[in-house]
Amino acid sequence: IAGITQAPTSQILAAGRRMTLRCTQDMRHNAMYWYRQDLGLGLRLIHYSNTAGTTGKGEVPDGYSVSRANTDDFPLTLASAVPSQTSVYFCASSWVAGAQETQYFGPGTRLLVL
Amino acid sequence: GENVEQHPSTLSVQEGDSAVIKCTYSDSASNYFPWYKQELGKRPQLIIDIRSNVGEKKDQRIAVTLNKTAKHFSLHITETQPEDSAVYFCATARRQGNLIFGKGTKLSVKP
Repeated sequence: IAGITQAPTSQILAAGRRMTLRCTQDMRHNAMYWYRQDLGLGLRLIHYSNTAGTTGKGEVPDGYSVSRANTDDFPLTLASAVPSQTSVYFCASSWVAGAQETQYFGPGTRLLVL
Repeated sequence: GENVEQHPSTLSVQEGDSAVIKCTYSDSASNYFPWYKQELGKRPQLIIDIRSNVGEKKDQRIAVTLNKTAKHFSLHITETQPEDSAVYFCATARRQGNLIFGKGTKLSVKP
């Protein structure tokens, strides 16, 4: 693994189903993030984690949950998907130590909820 | 809450011309201002950033200027090329804070 990866690349999901989007980084970054990107709305933060074992809510957290059991992995779970969660999801990571540093993004997961 | 306004939403220029994208922000505690470029179907990638102790930063054809008093910062691309066509996002952050992104500018460079 080099950098930050996401799985799956794309997914079609029936409404009401549970889905976990996976994110893994090998840069030993302490901070990780999940964004959703919708046309005309830019990148909106769903959840973040400043270090393993801690998580926080972003701008649009409702309907999503995250966990950070270790440094490398930051999965995003949709407990019961709804059509409004159709979006492109990007995971990102960065090193934060006294100041924000460059965020590196994964390739994204395209999710369609029907 | 904190807000970042980005203008214009779309920008079309001729190859070789300059392009300027401007962002204004509301949080006076913001001290980190990155710009990301996203090509169609790809991930956002950092192209340049500036911190509040600097007024201007340049990297080849790309420059960013910051006016903390007026709470705005701008991306300047000179001698534009077709490969500069992409969506550009500005963002702000407080010290150790999360990034807040603008809604993006779609730049088209016509050969």
